[in-house]
Amino acid sequence: DAGVIQSPRHEVTEMGQEVTLRCKPISGHNSLFWYRQTMMRGLELLIYFNNNVPIDDSGMPEDRFSAKMPNASFSTLKIQPSEPRDSAVYFCASSLSSGLTNQPQHFGDGTRLSIL
Amino acid sequence: GENVEQHPSTLSVQEGDSAVIKCTYSDSASNYFPWYKQELGKRPQLIIDIRSNVGEKKDQRIAVTLNKTAKHFSLHITETQPEDSAVYFCAAIYVLTGGGNKLTFGTGTQLKVEL
Repeated sequence: DAGVIQSPRHEVTEMGQEVTLRCKPISGHNSLFWYRQTMMRGLELLIYFNNNVPIDDSGMPEDRFSAKMPNASFSTLKIQPSEPRDSAVYFCASSLSSGLTNQPQHFGDGTRLSIL
Repeated sequence: GENVEQHPSTLSVQEGDSAVIKCTYSDSASNYFPWYKQELGKRPQLIIDIRSNVGEKKDQRIAVTLNKTAKHFSLHITETQPEDSAVYFCAAIYVLTGGGNKLTFGTGTQLKVEL
């Protein structure tokens, strides 16, 4: 199993530019999560999808952030326009969620984003 | 919503000693408690988990205990080794009506195992 695949691994761009982060969940997993990690705020859940439908986006910081999951094997997190305070490591995770049974979330390697 | 508190924020032990990290949660609906280990520059990796119908679980040098009444759960690492040095996160998950689950992380514990 290839695990959760994220791209790019690193992104450096100037403020004001659009940034798109990509995630391919583990095949068969039906829940997908986007997290942001910084030293100051730790791991924050931004948004998550269940069966491709956004369930809770209350963690999305601003309207500049948007996420989509057009199919079961792909999701994007977009920041437009980007700002220096968006600099962080962004993780995608996936899990199999079935009824009342919880399964562990598996994380991708993350995208290290730097906004200059 | 769920609130997970984790203590201590940093922990330094001598190699061979035990390390204990404690977490509390607020939502009694939480029914699944994973622990993640994150090495510097790497992704969080699941090391052990426990469900609400179990009080204790062991996997070699790692054990987790759960007290549902007190809403406490703890990670125990015995015979610590230098490679155990990392940041450890606890988390609590509950299933949402309508599908999916929501995971809330603790703030992390930086464990340092000294030679």
